[in-house]
Amino acid sequence: DAGVIQSPRHEVTEMGQEVTLRCKPISGHDYLFWYRQTMMRGLELLIYFNNNVPIDDSGMPEDRFSAKMPNASFSTLKIQPSEPRDSAVYFCASSDTGEQFFGPGTRLTVL
Amino acid sequence: AQTVTQSQPEMSVQEAETVTLSCTYDTSESDYYLFWYKQPPSRQMILVIRQEAYKQQNATENRFSVNFQKAAKSFSLKISDSQLGDAAMYFCAYRRTYNNDMRFGAGTRLTVKP
Repeated sequence: DAGVIQSPRHEVTEMGQEVTLRCKPISGHDYLFWYRQTMMRGLELLIYFNNNVPIDDSGMPEDRFSAKMPNASFSTLKIQPSEPRDSAVYFCASSDTGEQFFGPGTRLTVL
Repeated sequence: AQTVTQSQPEMSVQEAETVTLSCTYDTSESDYYLFWYKQPPSRQMILVIRQEAYKQQNATENRFSVNFQKAAKSFSLKISDSQLGDAAMYFCAYRRTYNNDMRFGAGTRLTVKP
């Protein structure tokens, strides 16, 4: 298996623009997680899905953030409009009943 | 709420020596999992080792081993024969058995000196 795949690896955008991050989990994993990592706040869980259904989105910072999982092999995290404080590395991870496997992350810079 | 504390922001070890990274956690659960993840400069999160709370035996993976003290809620990672490639951020993580929500500590940056 190729592991968890994320795209893009790097994204630079201007404040106010819409940003969409994409994730393909490991085949057969029924949990998918979105994390944000910053120097100040460390690794934060934003939202996670089980069998494509959002289970806990209490970590989503505000209404500008939204996440979807239309099928078992694809998820998106959207920020609209983006702000400089959203600059971070965003990780997607997937799991079955055990440990989580992480993607390589997307480094987002909002100017 | 479950919290994970790593009290050592930075640690340093000489190549070939042994180093121990500390982690404590707070929980009222009796069944749970604990993990150590490594994040090298490539920023990829890599699972190093896992421990099930119901197991009394400490987990071991080659040069990596843990000291799991359930009563003290302590879960330290020992790296033996440290190598330059071990230099990374190390995160301790907790997960309840019946909930896939994982909580991470703030991380410890390990430097390996040649």
